[in-house]
Parts: sequence; C-alpha cells; structure tokens
Amino acid sequence: QSALTQPASVSGSPGQSITISCTGTSSDIANYNLVSWHQQHPGKAPKLMIYEDYKRPSGVSNRFSGSKSGNTASLTISGLQAEDEADYYCASFAGSRSWIFGGGTRVTVL
Amino acid sequence: EVQLVESGGGLVQPGGSLRLSCAASGFTFSSSYMHWVRQVPGRGPVWVSQINPDGTRAKYADSVQGRFIISRDNAENTLSLQMNSLRAEDTAVYYCAGPSTGINAFHIWGQGTMVIVS
Repeated sequence: QSALTQPASVSGSPGQSITISCTGTSSDIANYNLVSWHQQHPGKAPKLMIYEDYKRPSGVSNRFSGSKSGNTASLTISGLQAEDEADYYCASFAGSRSWIFGGGTRVTVL
Repeated sequence: EVQLVESGGGLVQPGGSLRLSCAASGFTFSSSYMHWVRQVPGRGPVWVSQINPDGTRAKYADSVQGRFIISRDNAENTLSLQMNSLRAEDTAVYYCAGPSTGINAFHIWGQGTMVIVS
C-alpha cells in the first residue's frame, strides 16, 4: 500500500499563509470525499484538523482550510502562528485498501 | 470526556506475541468502527486494522494479515489487537483511533503504546 505523497517540509513567517499538498491516485483521493488532515506535535497523538476534504471539527481554528482537485488535496494554514509548528499528515479512504496516510510534512515557523 | 487509553505495549522478541488493549469512554463505542494505526517515530502513520461496530467484520493491512487479530467487547467498551509472529518491522507506537458522531475520519486518538520487537 503506497503512502500519499507530501513535501517533506514547508516553512513560513508568522502571519503568512502556507499550503501543504497531498498527492494520491484515482483509487483514493480522487475517488472519495474522505481526505483528512492531522496535526502532530512531538510526542503527542495526531489531532484531526480537517475531515471530508474541507470540513473543520469543532474547536479547530478557521485559519486551517482544506481543498481538493483531482487526486491532490491541500491544507492551507493562514495567519501562521508559532503554535502551528508541527508535523502534518494527510489521510484518505482507499476502498479495499481501507485507509492510507501521507509521509508527513514538517511545518516550520521562521 | 471522550477518551481512548491504550495499554499492553512493551519489548518482545521476534516471533513472540503481544496483546494490546484500548479502553474507550465518553462516546458510543458500540456504534463506531474502530481502528488500530501504528507509527514508527519520525515517519507517517500506517493504518493496521479496523473492526465494524458489532465485531463481525475485520480488515487488515497486507503487512499484518494472518498475524494480527482485532476484536472488541462492546459490553466493556474495549478494543483489542492480538499480535502474533512479531517481526522487527512491527516496532512502532500503536494507536487506537475512531470516528465521532458525524465525522467519518480518525477523530478520536489514544495516547499510543510503544511496541518494540527486538
């Protein structure tokens, strides 16, 4: 089961916007509206930030937004803050393969 | 409070067995698909297994098929993962995870339990 493809790292200055991409295939991202994004700080469990491509769970800042086009999903963080520095993982339902995750993107706030 | 608490991790020799447990509280466990996800530190999570709400259907990643068994006890709000024939490549933090009402994604995560096969 191949992982979804994410850039290894993305950085930005406080207040800027950054976008993280997540590339899959026609069998996963493009075929289901079930892309999610998870934030993970060191030593902590992942935290759901976006689900079903673009929806935000209660309590998640509206600075986080999700989108999708074809087999590529994206997470945008606007108004970057120091607390946003973390690892971010995308995930998608993949039918018979069930669920697959991306390799992760380290976000650094300069 | 919605909570998942894993236990049972530890150090085991290759070829050995280990049983992980996950205690659920604060949500309707018996109505939820539940999952095990593992993560090697510094790498992305990997889905391992899922079980349907009544425990009658399970799915596994190819890498653990035939060696791991997922089960649940809805009376005790407990999820389990029996891991047999363990290999070095099974070394990881194991999380139980599940959706919440109206959210079809890994919304609820436990704190994880470390399994080391060496």
